[in-house]
Amino acid sequence: NAGVTQTPKFQVLKTGQSMTLQCAQDMNHEYMSWYRQDPGMGLRLIHYSVGAGITDQGEVPNGYNVSRSTTEDFPLRLLSAAPSQTSVYFCASSTPTGTSGSNEQFFGPGTRLTVL
Amino acid sequence: AQSVAQPEDQVNVAEGNPLTVKCTYSVSGNPYLFWYVQYPNRGLQFLLKYITGDNLVKGSYGFEAEFNKSQTSFHLKKPSALVSDSALYFCAVNYNTDKLIFGTGTRLQVFP
Repeated sequence: NAGVTQTPKFQVLKTGQSMTLQCAQDMNHEYMSWYRQDPGMGLRLIHYSVGAGITDQGEVPNGYNVSRSTTEDFPLRLLSAAPSQTSVYFCASSTPTGTSGSNEQFFGPGTRLTVL
Repeated sequence: AQSVAQPEDQVNVAEGNPLTVKCTYSVSGNPYLFWYVQYPNRGLQFLLKYITGDNLVKGSYGFEAEFNKSQTSFHLKKPSALVSDSALYFCAVNYNTDKLIFGTGTRLQVFP
C-alpha cells in the first residue's frame, strides 16, 4: 500500500512552459485535492474532486487545470507557468465526509516547483 | 466565511516541558477540526481530529487537543515535549464538506 504518490519531486520550468504534476492513490479514496504551500500562507486549495469525472475549483484555481478520469489518478496541469506559481504542491486524498463526520486526508510527499 | 488562525509563527519550548500550539477558528455551525504535522521535506501527517463528543481529543505521538466552543479554540497540547516533536504544525477546519481550510502554520522548536 503506497498511499499517495506524487511525481516529480522537483521541477524547474521556464516562464510559459507547461507541465503536469502527477498524483496517484491506491486507497480507493473518492475525494482528492491539490494544495499549494507558500511560506507564511499555509496550504491553499487549488482544485478538488469528489469522484471520477467530477472536479471543482478551490481557493486559487487560476492557471491550473485538473481532470479525474479514474479514481486513482488526479493530475494537475500548469498551462503556462509563471514565477508566481513557484511553490510546493501537495496532493491529498480521503474518503468523503459521512454520517460519522469528516475524515482525515492523506498527503503525498510533495512536488517542489520553481518557475524561472 | 470559514477561517482558521494560528496566532504564533513559532513556539519554543524546552524538552520535557509542556507545550501548547494555539488555534482559533471561525465557522458558522459545528466545525470539524484537525491538526496536522509536517516534518522537513515531507508531506503533512494527520495527528488528531474533533468531530463531536468529548472536548478533549487524543491523537498520535502523545498529542491531545481541547475543543472550546465558547472561545472557538482548538489548541494542541502535549504534557512533555521531545526534541523530535520539532516540526511545522497546521490547524485545519471544515464544515459539512471535504474541503479543508488551513491555518498559516506554527513552527515548534523543542530545545534539548
